[in-house]
Amino acid sequence: IAGITQAPTSQILAAGRRMTLRCTQDMRHNAMYWYRQDLGLGLRLIHYSNTAGTTGKGEVPDGYSVSRANTDDFPLTLASAVPSQTSVYFCASSEDGAGEQFFGPGTRLTVL
Amino acid sequence: RKEVEQDPGPFNVPEGATVAFNCTYSNSASQSFFWYRQDCRKEPKLLMSVYSSGNEDGRFTAQLNRASQYISLLIRDSKLSDSATYLCVVRGSSASKIIFGSGTRLSIRP
Repeated sequence: IAGITQAPTSQILAAGRRMTLRCTQDMRHNAMYWYRQDLGLGLRLIHYSNTAGTTGKGEVPDGYSVSRANTDDFPLTLASAVPSQTSVYFCASSEDGAGEQFFGPGTRLTVL
Repeated sequence: RKEVEQDPGPFNVPEGATVAFNCTYSNSASQSFFWYRQDCRKEPKLLMSVYSSGNEDGRFTAQLNRASQYISLLIRDSKLSDSATYLCVVRGSSASKIIFGSGTRLSIRP
């Protein structure tokens, strides 16, 4: 692995289903983030983690949960997907909470 | 008023032209500033950080004006490959205080 990876690349999901988006980084960055990007709205922060074992809510956290059991992984879970969660999801990491961020390739999620 | 505002464009300029974008921010306590580039259906990638004294990287120059609360990006001698969406990012003191602008679309024509 080099950098930050996300899985799956894309997914079509029925409303009401549970879904976990995976994110892994090998840069030993302390901070990790989940964003959604919607046309005309730019990137919006869903949840973040300053360091392993801690998480925090971003701008649009409702309907999503995260965990940070170790430095490398930061999965995002949709407990019961709704159509408004159709979006492109980007995971990112940074060495600390103030520096430049590096993004994964994104997951395109469609909820029907 | 949005916390970070950008002109969405599109800016359509000929190859070789100089083009500039501004990005305004509302929180005077903002601490760090960046320009990212995003190609269609790809992830954002860091173009350059923006320092108080201004900084230059090849054809790209970034400026910060704290008094007027804006950052700018100047691209000289534009290339076809510069066509992309440019996102400004404003960060506060914590990981949650990070705001992306909606982006400015730039299209360079031959």
